[in-house]
Amino acid sequence: GQQVMQIPQYQHVQEGEDFTTYCNSSTTLSNIQWYKQRPGGHPVFLIQLVKSGEVKKQKRLTFQFGEAKKNSSLHITATQTTDVGTYFCAVPNMNSGGYQKVTFGTGTKLQVIP
Amino acid sequence: DVKVTQSSRYLVKRTGEKVFLECVQDMDHENMFWYRQDPGLGLRLIYFSYDVKMKEKGDIPEGYSVSREKKERFSLILESASTNQTSMYLCASRLPGGANVLTFGAGSRLTVL
Repeated sequence: GQQVMQIPQYQHVQEGEDFTTYCNSSTTLSNIQWYKQRPGGHPVFLIQLVKSGEVKKQKRLTFQFGEAKKNSSLHITATQTTDVGTYFCAVPNMNSGGYQKVTFGTGTKLQVIP
Repeated sequence: DVKVTQSSRYLVKRTGEKVFLECVQDMDHENMFWYRQDPGLGLRLIYFSYDVKMKEKGDIPEGYSVSREKKERFSLILESASTNQTSMYLCASRLPGGANVLTFGAGSRLTVL
């Protein structure tokens, strides 16, 4: 089945430092999504990437989809305490019945030290 | 805004009890999903449904069943709760096509003693 590896599992950074999380798939993806879950909250959609080599920016967040559409990254420039949370990638794939499901990576938990 | 409401935020049940987790969405979404979230394991898909009366197994369906009698409601059932089902349960819904964005409920934290 679909394997989605996300690294690192945890990251502690000083406020103002940069942060990157990576998502790697064993198969070529049609698209990839990124979600953020604040402590005590639920995952909230950030962005979807579809095209090979696509780069999208949301303020200090830069999302990238690999050329082979098998990997993706989320980079945060100059982290702030509001960036604290767990970041998940999510990819579509088929279950045994031929229906599209959504598989999440294991997540990267970001802690920002003020 | 789409709202996904999970009926119970916290539940404590005993081993062997039957447990119902309810999820209701208010935006006429066809697709609904149940995930469980455990530290270090991320979100794992239990069951999902593409339409009323329809259900499909996710990655970890064992020990669970679901019911989708109405479009807005997707219930997760633990027929006989066990301690290894202690977890955070997250419901999500999605409008198929377009951006395929999942909208999550606040979650139900279940403790099985």
